[in-house]
Amino acid sequence: AQKITQTQPGMFVQEKEAVTLDCTYDTSDPSYGLFWYKQPSSGEMIFLIYQGSYDQQNATEGRYSLNFQKARKSANLVISASQLGDSAMYFCAMREGGGAQKLVFGQGTRLTINP
Amino acid sequence: GAGVSQTPSNKVTEKGKYVELRCDPISGHTALYWYRQSLGQGPEFLIYFQGTGAADDSGLPNDRFFAVRPEGSVSTLKIQRTERGDSAVYLCASSKDRGPYNEQFFGPGTRLTVL
Repeated sequence: AQKITQTQPGMFVQEKEAVTLDCTYDTSDPSYGLFWYKQPSSGEMIFLIYQGSYDQQNATEGRYSLNFQKARKSANLVISASQLGDSAMYFCAMREGGGAQKLVFGQGTRLTINP
Repeated sequence: GAGVSQTPSNKVTEKGKYVELRCDPISGHTALYWYRQSLGQGPEFLIYFQGTGAADDSGLPNDRFFAVRPEGSVSTLKIQRTERGDSAVYLCASSKDRGPYNEQFFGPGTRLTVL
């Protein structure tokens, strides 16, 4: 079963607009963590933001925020005031609790910022 | 400080050959992970080391794949009798230790092409 689902293969946004990238997840483990990574065309994976399953508040890191809706099992990434340099692939990933440390990634969303 | 490094950056080999991919984690990181990313997909977990031992090798696709980390630092991913389907970018990541918030830092990857 798909653990992480990103339903938007591609998104096109005008510079300076806000953008929301969708992510839904599936787990029966009460303890888990959700991550967003950015992968520019150069290929490196850049960590953006983390949300723990027990965190009461939505995570924020600069222009990035995570809209965490636990009951709906969604963890959408919001980028405010988009910039041309935000154009990249974005991956949502989950780590389930206990001893397992692997990340399970979604298929990704390609974000293109237009000037 | 130095990030995760991987060598070689590119490897072209012929079907049936043996290849070794190397990963140097961030100094002091006890956990090391290997992922494989096929074109247009998110990374897929292969194996995870905690120290010298493989804590989870459930992602290795078959017995042609093997990885070692003899001194708890550098790791080598070994692929025997390579097949064209092994062509992908192999990503290595490292992190400090266990725990719910355990950001993984990724290397630039090794692009493997099997002809």
